[in-house]
Amino acid sequence: DADVTQTPRNRITKTGKRIMLECSQTKGHDRMYWYRQDPGLGLRLIYYSFDVKDINKGEISDGYSVSRQAQAKFSLSLESAIPNQTALYFCATSEQTGGNEKLFFGSGTQLSVL
Amino acid sequence: DAKTTQPPSMDCAEGRAANLPCNHSTISGNEYVYWYRQIHSQGPQYIIHGLKNNETNEMASLIITEDRKSSTLILPHATLRDTAVYYCIVRVYGGATNKLIFGTGTLLAVQP
Repeated sequence: DADVTQTPRNRITKTGKRIMLECSQTKGHDRMYWYRQDPGLGLRLIYYSFDVKDINKGEISDGYSVSRQAQAKFSLSLESAIPNQTALYFCATSEQTGGNEKLFFGSGTQLSVL
Repeated sequence: DAKTTQPPSMDCAEGRAANLPCNHSTISGNEYVYWYRQIHSQGPQYIIHGLKNNETNEMASLIITEDRKSSTLILPHATLRDTAVYYCIVRVYGGATNKLIFGTGTLLAVQP
């Protein structure tokens, strides 16, 4: 979805390097999420934020940190990358109305840690 | 949030209806059933959701059993472009666990 933009699309880095993945959205949504996807494991939630001052850990937050710089921006950092953080990373936004929370995903960032 | 169980893979002939089952036997009364799909490493896409009534939109129909312990996503006339991984998710509306947790889904292969 072009309204949720992730940069970079692909990144190759070395073990021990600090990496930042960026996500920006033009949907005006308060809620933003970071997921990672590994083959055979589906999508797993890393961190999520319900507004600018709110940060919450997901299922697999160890080794990651996030920053919600503004309503439209949510960055994911790997302070010291390791090979098992090689994965496809997705950012998503949502707006909850009534009983519906519909997620809108970016195109993903393929990260390879050598 | 309740867990869901889906078959890992299914096949369907092009033009036929695709019926994707999901088991959520521990679902609570205030949990919604959501379906998303992911086409080959793209970001997942919302399809439909429901609480207890059957739902239909331009993409699919959702049939939820009366006891709410299982549901079926129906793609009425599957096309090759419907080949994707389909995720069934249940989640509570509101509360501290206000997030969607994805499982491994069902890989639907639509055959020509």
